[in-house]
Amino acid sequence: AQKVTQAQTEISVVEKEDVTLDCVYETRDTTYYLFWYKQPPSGELVFLIRRNSFDEQNEISGRYSWNFQKSTSSFNFTITASQVVDSAVYFCALTQTGANNLFFGTGTRLTVIP
Amino acid sequence: DTEVTQTPKHLVMGMTNKKSLKCEQHMGHRAMYWYKQKAKKPPELMFVYSYEKLSINESVPSRFSPECPNSSLLNLHLHALQPEDSALYLCASSPRQNLNQPQHFGDGTRLSIL
Repeated sequence: AQKVTQAQTEISVVEKEDVTLDCVYETRDTTYYLFWYKQPPSGELVFLIRRNSFDEQNEISGRYSWNFQKSTSSFNFTITASQVVDSAVYFCALTQTGANNLFFGTGTRLTVIP
Repeated sequence: DTEVTQTPKHLVMGMTNKKSLKCEQHMGHRAMYWYKQKAKKPPELMFVYSYEKLSINESVPSRFSPECPNSSLLNLHLHALQPEDSALYLCASSPRQNLNQPQHFGDGTRLSIL
């Protein structure tokens, strides 16, 4: 069975603070893919990153960074020097090769206070 | 602006009405998806079209009827909906039907059933 857990329902930070969003996943497959999507109030989901199970390298893109650790089944997302525009719901998601579904976590609502 | 366009953005309808949601993309993607998202919940996959053919139906009630007239368009016909069908309906596309690939989402249609 596949499952994604985002234990943090809501987080509030003050602008310029760093914030880490947690994602823990469960799967029996050895080949799988993890995603992060951002959903601002406008509604669309914006793709942020995809990571496959064979690539444990951490990635940095501007103020965003991701820490993938297979040993703890986690794929955490850090925003450095947060900005008001980062306020959104962030979803972590999991799928496998040939799968018919994309398993989303329940999302973390991030509010960045000016 | 997103590359996947959904219309209308908002729709209010009675339980006896017939209406349609529309989705359009011009990225040359051959897979298109419908998701339903209730408030404070993650998106749930409803239908997948691959090369204009219905590939996946996640046991969606027949009051929802999808249609893919061509590779750029995806419709969702609604008839005799229930109040619990009120939700945000998201359309997405990807180059091929491969859930390993990132999907491009539209802004969604916020549907309210009276």
